Amino acid sequence: DQQVKQNSPSLSVQEGRISILNCDYTNSMFDYFLWYKKYPAEGPTFLISISSIKDKNEDGRFTVFLNKSAKHLSLHIVPSQPGDSAVYFCAARITQGGSEKLVFGKGTKLTVNP
Amino acid sequence: DTGVSQNPRHKITKRGQNVTFRCDPISEHNRLYWYRQTLGQGPEFLTYFQNEAQLEKSRLLSDRFSAERPKGSFSTLEIQRTEQGDSAMYLCASSLGLGQGNTEAFFGQGTRLTVV
Repeated sequence: DQQVKQNSPSLSVQEGRISILNCDYTNSMFDYFLWYKKYPAEGPTFLISISSIKDKNEDGRFTVFLNKSAKHLSLHIVPSQPGDSAVYFCAARITQGGSEKLVFGKGTKLTVNP
Repeated sequence: DTGVSQNPRHKITKRGQNVTFRCDPISEHNRLYWYRQTLGQGPEFLTYFQNEAQLEKSRLLSDRFSAERPKGSFSTLEIQRTEQGDSAMYLCASSLGLGQGNTEAFFGQGTRLTVV
């Protein structure tokens, strides 16, 4: 079962506009949510995270919103830049019995057009 | 460079051979994770170490896979009798423990395994 879902495989936006990437989850035990950015042939790079007890976290051009009742989070990038073109992964952290791990969605490929 | 380091970056092996990958985490990180990523998928959890103790293994980790983290520093992931289905990007990540104000796991650049 896929506990973290990114339903949009791709998104295309114009430079300077807002990019909104969405993520849904099913497991109420997740305590942190993270967004990673990935370029081809490289490992994921951490972007921003949010605790499950918060509803918003902002870092420069990146803002993550969490709606716990809807089990939904989104990443806003404003303004979008061509260098933001990459695959974005939503991840959720779960800690159980002394262990912890991240559960990832399948990713959304963002293309920012000049 | 003080990030997570993985070696080799690429490995091509014949089916049935054994392969071993190495991960050097960020030095002060006591948590270490292995993930596997295939085309069109997000990274999938394989195993987790806290210091030298392996605390969780995914059911994805068949008995042909073994991971170690001697002395709680670097880690190795070995795949015995490789199969074509093992072809993937193997990612290592490390992080600080809970309660230390850091939640993110930092990933290495991965080892791309191709089994022919």
